[in-house]
Amino acid sequence: GAVVSQHPSRVICKSGTSVKIECRSLDFQATTMFWYRQFPKQSLMLMATSNEGSKATYEQGVEKDKFLINHASLTLSTLTVTSAHPEDSSFYICSASRTSGGSTDTQYFGPGTRLTVL
Amino acid sequence: AQSVAQPEDQVNVAEGNPLTVKCTYSVSGNPYLFWYVQYPNRGLQFLLKYITGDNLVKGSYGFEAEFNKSQTSFHLKKPSALVSDSALYFCAVSQSRRGQNFVFGPGTRLSVLP
Repeated sequence: GAVVSQHPSRVICKSGTSVKIECRSLDFQATTMFWYRQFPKQSLMLMATSNEGSKATYEQGVEKDKFLINHASLTLSTLTVTSAHPEDSSFYICSASRTSGGSTDTQYFGPGTRLTVL
Repeated sequence: AQSVAQPEDQVNVAEGNPLTVKCTYSVSGNPYLFWYVQYPNRGLQFLLKYITGDNLVKGSYGFEAEFNKSQTSFHLKKPSALVSDSALYFCAVSQSRRGQNFVFGPGTRLSVLP
């Protein structure tokens, strides 16, 4: 099956620093990747949709200057949380969708990255 | 707009008994429906999806779900629950055949008691 990895799995940083999270599709090319955040005991909330080679599309209420997304290749998307603050502490999950003609593509989710900002 | 409801925050079932996790949805067009499971501190794992065709969809780990258009429901079921099925279950709907633009339900925590 399709595998999506995330790195790091866990990160602790000081307030004001920037943190980069990588999302990789290991055995398929992902034209589209998605970034979600999940607060404790809550559902996933889509932050942005990332298409290879173009700018990400952010959901309403998500600050694009704070959450920088780069999708430089068909297997890698990165999310950078700039000037992180404690309220940015969350579980960040990426997913990747592959294109195969006109058929429906299931999103494959990464294992998530737990960010703790002190 | 799309929305997904999972009316039960928590479902408890004894091991060996059948389980049902409920999901209802609201979309303006054709619904594409998905179930995912999440174990603690892990990402989501795909269980099954309904795109078209048979209303009864069979997925991973013995799970199945029945699409009911008139009731706008997509309940997840398993004939005999295992303790290892204990996890958080999310129903999701997409209006894209490519599975984009997911809207997730709030999740239902399933506890299977030995």
